Amino acid sequence: EVRLVESGGDLVQPGGSLRLSCAASGFIFRSSAMAWVRQAPGKGLEWVSSISSSGDIRYYADSVKGRFTISRDSSKNTLYLQMTSLRAEDTALYYCAKEGPGLVATVLGLWDYWGQGTLVTVSS
Amino acid sequence: EIVLTQSPATLSLSPGDRATLSCRGSPRVSNYLAWYQKRPGQAPRLLIYDTSNRATGVPDRFSGSGSGTYFTLTISSLEPEDFAVYYCQQRSSWPFTFGPGTKVDLK
Repeated sequence: EVRLVESGGDLVQPGGSLRLSCAASGFIFRSSAMAWVRQAPGKGLEWVSSISSSGDIRYYADSVKGRFTISRDSSKNTLYLQMTSLRAEDTALYYCAKEGPGLVATVLGLWDYWGQGTLVTVSS
Repeated sequence: EIVLTQSPATLSLSPGDRATLSCRGSPRVSNYLAWYQKRPGQAPRLLIYDTSNRATGVPDRFSGSGSGTYFTLTISSLEPEDFAVYYCQQRSSWPFTFGPGTKVDLK
C-alpha cells in the first residue's frame, strides 16, 4: 500500500524558515518523481514544486522560486521542501504527492497518491 | 500560464442524480487534463487523467470527456460519498495549474 506521511509544519513568523518532510513507503521511491502541492485555507489547490526520480530535475512555481528548495533522499525514502523567507501567503496545508500512474521517473504533472498534508502557518 | 475556469461553482443535487461539471482552459489545453476529488479532511484523489482515463479503483460512474478548451466530468448517478469538491488540472504546459473547483453538495 502506498503511503505518504508529511511532517514539519508549524507556526512560523514572516521571514522565517521551515523544512517539510514526506516519508514514503509502499512503492519504489527512488524510481518515482514527486511533488509538493498546497492548499491555502478556504482556497483551491496550487502546485508548488516537482522533482524527478534522480533529483537532478526540479521545477518551481513562480510564487516560490528562489525561496523554496525541493530535494530527496532515496536512502531514507524521504522527500523534503526547504522553505525560506516565508510570507503570510505561504500559509497552507502542504501535500506531498507521487507522480503516476505507476512508477514515473520524469516530471509529468500528474499525481496518483497524496499524503494527508502538513499545516504551515506564517504569522506574527 | 494556462488558466482553468470551472462551472458551476456549486452544484446542488440529490443522490442518484447525474452531475455534469465543466472545465475551460485558456489558452488551449491539449488532452493532458485531469480531475481530482477533494473531500473535507482528506487528501485529493485522482479520478480521471488525460481527459478520459479513469485512475485505478475509480468507479465507472465517473467519466471524462472533452478536447481543446472545453472538458467535462460526468458522474452518472451520485452516491453519498461523491459529495465533495472537484478540481480540474492541466499539465500541458508550465506551470501546472488547477481550476478553482466545483463543489457538489446535497440539495
